[in-house]
Amino acid sequence: SQQGEEDPQALSIQEGENATMNCSYKTSINNLQWYRQNSGRGLVHLILIRSNEREKHSGRLRVTLDTSKKSSSLLITASRAADTASYFCATRGFQKLVFGTGTRLLVSP
Amino acid sequence: GAVVSQHPSWVICKSGTSVKIECRSLDFQATTMFWYRQFPKQSLMLMATSNEGSKATYEQGVEKDKFLINHASLTLSTLTVTSAHPEDSSFYICSARRVRDSLADTQYFGPGTRLTVL
Repeated sequence: SQQGEEDPQALSIQEGENATMNCSYKTSINNLQWYRQNSGRGLVHLILIRSNEREKHSGRLRVTLDTSKKSSSLLITASRAADTASYFCATRGFQKLVFGTGTRLLVSP
Repeated sequence: GAVVSQHPSWVICKSGTSVKIECRSLDFQATTMFWYRQFPKQSLMLMATSNEGSKATYEQGVEKDKFLINHASLTLSTLTVTSAHPEDSSFYICSARRVRDSLADTQYFGPGTRLTVL
């Protein structure tokens, strides 16, 4: 399977803390993307990092990419209860977008 | 922003019947649309890729005769689950990629359709 793996599978933190999620993948990629999904809803695109980039920021999000290790991380700083959701990494190869297994984040007030 | 809609948002049907799910790009033209399915608390699995005016490309293990995909225009793709069975119950999500978009790597996702087969 080309599907990437994320860890942890589940993460529970308090508001104000930082949340870090990791993604590992198997094949060469053009870019890697992170998405958020609230329970039973569609996906929201968060950030895209290209294969020649190492780090990218967007608001409270920080994404890193290490193509030599085939891994990426998503850091959410100063988390809020509204950040509670599932987070998926997705890798773009030739045409397809392949999703990782996801991390379920719970942020408690 | 680019908006993708799906209809219906949820559907309940009897075993053996067929169900059609529509995916529309509302404010842009999509050369390529993708169909995913998602089981509870699991990731999205790509089922097929459809390009406007041509046959869909199915992922390994996905029955093309069971999941019929039609991409008749640059704004509409349909997924028909034929002779549905309870194991077809799932969350189906479509996604669209814009035509001639400088951000062509970005896919826009619909809100999903929850199918329950009794």
